[in-house]
Amino acid sequence: QVQLVQSGAEVKKPGASVKVSCKASGDTFTSYDISWVRQATGQGLEWMGWMNPNSGNTGYAQKFQGRVTFTRDTSITTIFMELSSLRSEDTAVYYCARGDYYLGNAFDIWGQGTMVTVSS
Amino acid sequence: AIQLTQSPSSLSASVGDRVTITCRASQGISSALAWYQQKPGKAPNLLIYDASSLQSGVPSRFSGSGSGTDFALTISSLQPEDFATYYCQQFNSYPWTFGQGTKVEIK
Repeated sequence: QVQLVQSGAEVKKPGASVKVSCKASGDTFTSYDISWVRQATGQGLEWMGWMNPNSGNTGYAQKFQGRVTFTRDTSITTIFMELSSLRSEDTAVYYCARGDYYLGNAFDIWGQGTMVTVSS
Repeated sequence: AIQLTQSPSSLSASVGDRVTITCRASQGISSALAWYQQKPGKAPNLLIYDASSLQSGVPSRFSGSGSGTDFALTISSLQPEDFATYYCQQFNSYPWTFGQGTKVEIK
């Protein structure tokens, strides 16, 4: 059973950066795109972008362009999401999720979420 | 960006009720739509993909329909474990967007 396990909660000051990891178990790490989705407390889901762990190709939602970077380390089957110039509005739970092409790219496996708090 | 508008934003229903949630896209998205269920403090769980295909392991009381701009998620007989928030998501074009969510509460 494939799992996505994310790093722990973070508290950052405004203007700082945060880097969240998402480790995939199993041997299918490079076979699926990974997306990042965030959710502010009591709010809806917001898609941030995707990464293909095999090629390293990425795509970012325009809202986050220039502030977010996805990277990967295939040797440890881990994808990273780094968000810079943090502001209070970035306080949210951040999820990684696997997109399955054979399910119309729908997200069938999710990480447990990482709470990022931005506060002075 | 394609906007998805869910209706209603919340609803109250009883166990055994038939419940329908709609999702309207701001432009045609063919059948590139998924539905998720989310419970408090948990990650979303995929219910339906390609507008009407039931994800493996999801109870058959959940069904999806629609294409183009109008979609629906139906729960044929609401169970206690179905009280949650439901989201639609489109995969027709980037950025992939979500509806604002529909909270299903106990009457």
